[in-house]
Amino acid sequence: SQTIHQWPATLVQPVGSPLSLECTVEGTSNPNLYWYRQAAGRGLQLLFYSVGIGQISSEVPQNLSASRPQDRQFILSSKKLLLSDSGFYLCAWRPSYNSPLHFGNGTRLTVT
Amino acid sequence: AQTVTQSQPEMSVQEAETVTLSCTYDTSESNYYLFWYKQPPSRQMILVIRQEAYKQQNATENRFSVNFQKAAKSFSLKISDSQLGDTAMYFCAFMRVQGAQKLVFGQGTRLTINP
Repeated sequence: SQTIHQWPATLVQPVGSPLSLECTVEGTSNPNLYWYRQAAGRGLQLLFYSVGIGQISSEVPQNLSASRPQDRQFILSSKKLLLSDSGFYLCAWRPSYNSPLHFGNGTRLTVT
Repeated sequence: AQTVTQSQPEMSVQEAETVTLSCTYDTSESNYYLFWYKQPPSRQMILVIRQEAYKQQNATENRFSVNFQKAAKSFSLKISDSQLGDTAMYFCAFMRVQGAQKLVFGQGTRLTINP
């Protein structure tokens, strides 16, 4: 079966520290992958999406970057975290064209 | 660019009642998909229902149904016989068919089902 794994579930990091959030999908190949961020009590904002290895599209210019080193792996990174990077980060994947997105369990990031 | 608007930040109903959540969207596309996602306190995003714009028939999934009005660009979700487990944030989302397929979300409606 197809599953998505996202970790860590919770992360507390000081301002200026680096960030690496990882997402992997099992049971499929060449999925479309997405990173969303959700501020407290708000909707989801698309940060990055990828249609293949090494292909990353950025939706919002910011302090974050994304990489896709392997077909089913999507990584969200930052060299230096800002307070405004705090939020709930969700990874999602889509198995085929015109299918809905399926989400991981999310990472709650608090920058202190 | 597409936008999705949910005008009801919060709603509250009694268990077993029927509740309707509103959603409007703005797009110049003629073909697209619409979705409702549910986010319970666990914050897991769960797909509730989907609608293809080219289909006139409204989608239904058990107690969940939609009222899709394409000309009015309206996509409401009706929950019948509401249950305590329906308590969650509900997000309306839009996805175009052509080009890059990204989900655009509304701001959400917090629904509380009271016993």
